Amino acid sequence: QKEVEQNSGPLSVPEGAIASLNCTYSDRGSQSFFWYRQYSGKSPELIMSIYSNGDKEDGRFTAQLNKASQYVSLLIRDSQPSDSATYLCAFYNQGGKLIFGQGTELSVKP
Amino acid sequence: GAGVSQTPSNKVTEKGKYVELRCDPISGHTALYWYRQSLGQGPEFLIYFQGTGAADDSGLPNDRFFAVRPEGSVSTLKIQRTERGDSAVYLCASSLKRETEAFFGQGTRLTVV
Repeated sequence: QKEVEQNSGPLSVPEGAIASLNCTYSDRGSQSFFWYRQYSGKSPELIMSIYSNGDKEDGRFTAQLNKASQYVSLLIRDSQPSDSATYLCAFYNQGGKLIFGQGTELSVKP
Repeated sequence: GAGVSQTPSNKVTEKGKYVELRCDPISGHTALYWYRQSLGQGPEFLIYFQGTGAADDSGLPNDRFFAVRPEGSVSTLKIQRTERGDSAVYLCASSLKRETEAFFGQGTRLTVV
């Protein structure tokens, strides 16, 4: 079983729609979860962190964590063409290693 | 500095040569991570430091790769006898302490010809 799994996409949504990105992880002891955005040719940029079960909202972004199901998701409301990027989920395993998924490519069409 | 700084931004080297990639973390950050990223893939973990010591080097692909962080700040990733398969973007990130938010530098694009 892979440590973290994401659908590689591409995920295509129309401008103004909600984009939903998902990630599952294998380490039940993990406590810290993150979403990064990576534009083509750039390095990953941290956009959300979540540590507790439930939802965390920041502007148009909502991160959702369900530790029992080992599932973390990112919702982007009112998607804009500038949101087109690859989104990476990441978590720390119990050894303190920060592990990344392969990323989901999001395309927002005007 | 304000952010994580990596030098050089780009490095072209010949097969078989030795290269050093430098990472200067955010001031005060005790944890430092190295990753390698190929096109279309997520960052692949190489090694992480907590202070001066390598806490986990399980991602280093073979003994040609080595990293140091002698004073608990700047880190250098060293690659001996480079191969064309080493061509990738090498990313460095730092965090204030273990299991907190990590921030990336701009990366070093290594091309082995």
